[in-house]
Amino acid sequence: EVQLVESGGGLVQPGGSLRLSCAASGFTFTSYSINWVRQAPGKGLEWVSYISTDSRTIYYADSVRGRFTISRDNAKNSLYLQMNSLRDEDTAIYYCARGKLGYYGMDVWGQGTSVTVSS
Amino acid sequence: DIQMTQSPSSLSASVGDRVTITCQASQDIRDSVNWYQQKPGKAPKLLIYDASKLEIGVPSRFRGSRSGTDFIFTITSLQPEDIATYYCQQSDNLPPYTFGQGTKLETK
Repeated sequence: EVQLVESGGGLVQPGGSLRLSCAASGFTFTSYSINWVRQAPGKGLEWVSYISTDSRTIYYADSVRGRFTISRDNAKNSLYLQMNSLRDEDTAIYYCARGKLGYYGMDVWGQGTSVTVSS
Repeated sequence: DIQMTQSPSSLSASVGDRVTITCQASQDIRDSVNWYQQKPGKAPKLLIYDASKLEIGVPSRFRGSRSGTDFIFTITSLQPEDIATYYCQQSDNLPPYTFGQGTKLETK
């Protein structure tokens, strides 16, 4: 079964750090780009970051650039999001999502991991 | 950055109705639009990619089309299981890969 499973969410104080992980299974991880997308409580979807298959191309939303770092370990079939200097507005469910081959749509999504930034 | 203006924000329809949602891009993005369905407490699901291509396994009552910078998502005959929130997303060459604001679809 093709699957993405996020972990690492939790409660953190403003200014703190958190590292999210996304474990992939059931497909050739090295062949696919991956994205992080988040959704604040009761709000819409917000694209956060993109990483290419070989990690050479990385993009960030303006709202997280300079604070978040995306990375992947193809040997471990895993994706990461290091989140530093967290703010209240980073509170959201964070999804990892696989890029559809040949396109920039996202065809496989994890179940999400919840991040709450609060004092 | 490319903006995606999605309308309406909410929609009430009856089973069997034809439902249409529109996204307008702020500039030419060719066919680079995807449509997602999200049910409460669940992750989004890709329905349509590249403006009009149906994702594998998605029922044919879901359709996408494009007219210039306007992208149209249609459910030809609404079914009870289609009640959800729908999002468009632009995926042109460079990010941010902006989502529309979402359309919450409810039954009458």
